Amino acid sequence: QKEVEQDPGPLSVPEGAIVSLNCTYSNSAFQYFMWYRQYSRKGPELLMYTYSSGNKEDGRFTAQVDKSSKYISLFIRDSQPSDSATYLCAMSVSGTYKYIFGTGTRLKVLA
Amino acid sequence: GAVVSQHPSWVICKSGTSVKIECRSLDFQATTMFWYRQFPKQSLMLMATSNEGSKATYEQGVEKDKFLINHASLTLSTLTVTSAHPEDSSFYICSARNSGPGGEGSGYTFGSGTRLTVV
Repeated sequence: QKEVEQDPGPLSVPEGAIVSLNCTYSNSAFQYFMWYRQYSRKGPELLMYTYSSGNKEDGRFTAQVDKSSKYISLFIRDSQPSDSATYLCAMSVSGTYKYIFGTGTRLKVLA
Repeated sequence: GAVVSQHPSWVICKSGTSVKIECRSLDFQATTMFWYRQFPKQSLMLMATSNEGSKATYEQGVEKDKFLINHASLTLSTLTVTSAHPEDSSFYICSARNSGPGGEGSGYTFGSGTRLTVV
């Protein structure tokens, strides 16, 4: 079993839809939870991070962490074609700075 | 914000030759840099961690004699793929640990990646 599981997609949605992206994990010691966006043939860029449990909102993006279920989510409201990319979740045990990445979910927002 | 410049963005080389990839932190000092490898539709796999002025730490299964990492200054780390073979073809990405306010959560800045094709 991988430490971090993420559905690779692709996920296709119409413009304006709410997108839900998810990851599950097995290591209960993870404390930092990150979401990265990666455009084709580019390096990942940080969208949001959360420490421990709870929700965090930034514009159209909301990150949720449910540590009891070992489940994290990223919601994108009012999705735009420019949101089309691969979204990677990453996690780390506090103090290690060692990120474990999911495989990424490829998202396509159709105009 | 913190910027990491990675070059080249793509390279094609012949089997048996060596290729060097550079990663520079442009506006901050990066005492620690990380090198990842990414296969199509797969996750980023950490290859090694390099600390300025010391030997790199390689992850299990990564050949240190094949993937030479040098971190000679606080702003430059290099990855050299020696005696490259077609199976080394991949997307290589560096990241640098910065000292931003987010701590570990936002503590990495990634380069734009290098696509290596060995023919």
